[in-house]
Amino acid sequence: DAGVIQSPRHEVTEMGQEVTLRCKPISGHDYLFWYRQTMMRGLELLIYFNNNVPIDDSGMPEDRFSAKMPNASFSTLKIQPSEPRDSAVYFCASSLGQGRGEETQYFGPGTRLLVL
Amino acid sequence: DAKTTQPTSMDCAEGRAANLPCNHSTISGNEYVYWYRQIHSQGPQYIIHGLKNNETNEMASLIITEDRKSSTLILPHATLRDTAVYYCIVRVNAGKSTFGDGTTLTVKP
Repeated sequence: DAGVIQSPRHEVTEMGQEVTLRCKPISGHDYLFWYRQTMMRGLELLIYFNNNVPIDDSGMPEDRFSAKMPNASFSTLKIQPSEPRDSAVYFCASSLGQGRGEETQYFGPGTRLLVL
Repeated sequence: DAKTTQPTSMDCAEGRAANLPCNHSTISGNEYVYWYRQIHSQGPQYIIHGLKNNETNEMASLIITEDRKSSTLILPHATLRDTAVYYCIVRVNAGKSTFGDGTTLTVKP
């Protein structure tokens, strides 16, 4: 398997523009996670899905952020409108399931977002 | 999920064993201990996990105390490429978990 795939790897945009980050989880994994990492706040969980259904989005910073998972092989994280404080590395991860140690998360390479 | 406590930073000589401690005194009986590491600018990488027994894989060994309130990740022969931030996490659910600040391990030549 190719692992978790994220695109784009780098994104530079101007304040106010819409940004869409994409993720393809590992095939067969039932859980998908979106994280954000900054120097100030470390690695934060934004939202996670189970079988394409959002389970917990309490980490989403505000209404400008939205995430979807239309099918088992694709998810998007959208920021509209983007602001400079959204600049961060965004990671997507997937895991097989839960219980009995199946919670191992496999991370993608991340998308480095810079909002000017 | 139980909270974990790790030292902020550690140094290790190349070729020596690196022993990274983690305290998780509030761990529940069905919570697993997971270790990940993050090499600069890369995504976190899974290393190993365990419940009660000590575990070993091609990357590391995990030693969990009998009362399960602490654990130690052992890199038997550290190399410069092992320089990274190491995270200890305890969880039972596949959902929310906190990575915390981890331990920055610096392997020196």
